[in-house]
Amino acid sequence: DAGITQSPRYKITETGRQVTLMCHQTWSHSYMFWYRQDLGHGLRLIYYSAAADITDKGEVPDGYVVSRSKTENFPLTLESATRSQTSVYFCASSELGMGNQPQHFGDGTRLSIL
Amino acid sequence: GENVEQHPSTLSVQEGDSAVIKCTYSDSASNYFPWYKQELGKRPQLIIDIRSNVGEKKDQRIAVTLNKTAKHFSLHITETQPEDSAVYFCAALGGGQGFSFIFGKGTRLLVKP
Repeated sequence: DAGITQSPRYKITETGRQVTLMCHQTWSHSYMFWYRQDLGHGLRLIYYSAAADITDKGEVPDGYVVSRSKTENFPLTLESATRSQTSVYFCASSELGMGNQPQHFGDGTRLSIL
Repeated sequence: GENVEQHPSTLSVQEGDSAVIKCTYSDSASNYFPWYKQELGKRPQLIIDIRSNVGEKKDQRIAVTLNKTAKHFSLHITETQPEDSAVYFCAALGGGQGFSFIFGKGTRLLVKP
């Protein structure tokens, strides 16, 4: 779905560096999510947001920070990257609360931390 | 909070056979259950979903069944084709974490021609 875009698609950085992954959606969905996907773990929720200025922790929030100043953007920041944060990161959005709608995913960001 | 178990982790079938993937969930308040297909290097994409007021839903070769009493739901793919080969994820929408989806760990389906 072209309505949700992630950038960059690929990123290589070093341990200790700060890195921000961007997510933008054009549907005006209330809910946005960040997942990481690792072999053997499936999709694990890092953070989610129910609306602008409302965020909450998911299953694996440690080491990550999010913000949502505008409905359409939901950036994810690794303040001091560690090798264990090497993963594929997916952003998703959904209009929950209206008959329970599915999530729509971005194309993902493949992040490697050396 | 919600927990979703998915089985099997890998499934190999012959083209034309049926494939069944099962998921169980723990939160009886969960009321929405989507299934996603993810091809290698691609994003997860919704293939079918079911809500708690429905026991079964079909879409061509794909069907999903839900047993609320037993807290499990299953994906059924009939007349499998090589292009069905992918990783399939089930998910449950739980209210315990303030409306968020909990995913199973995925099933890698291989359809052999």
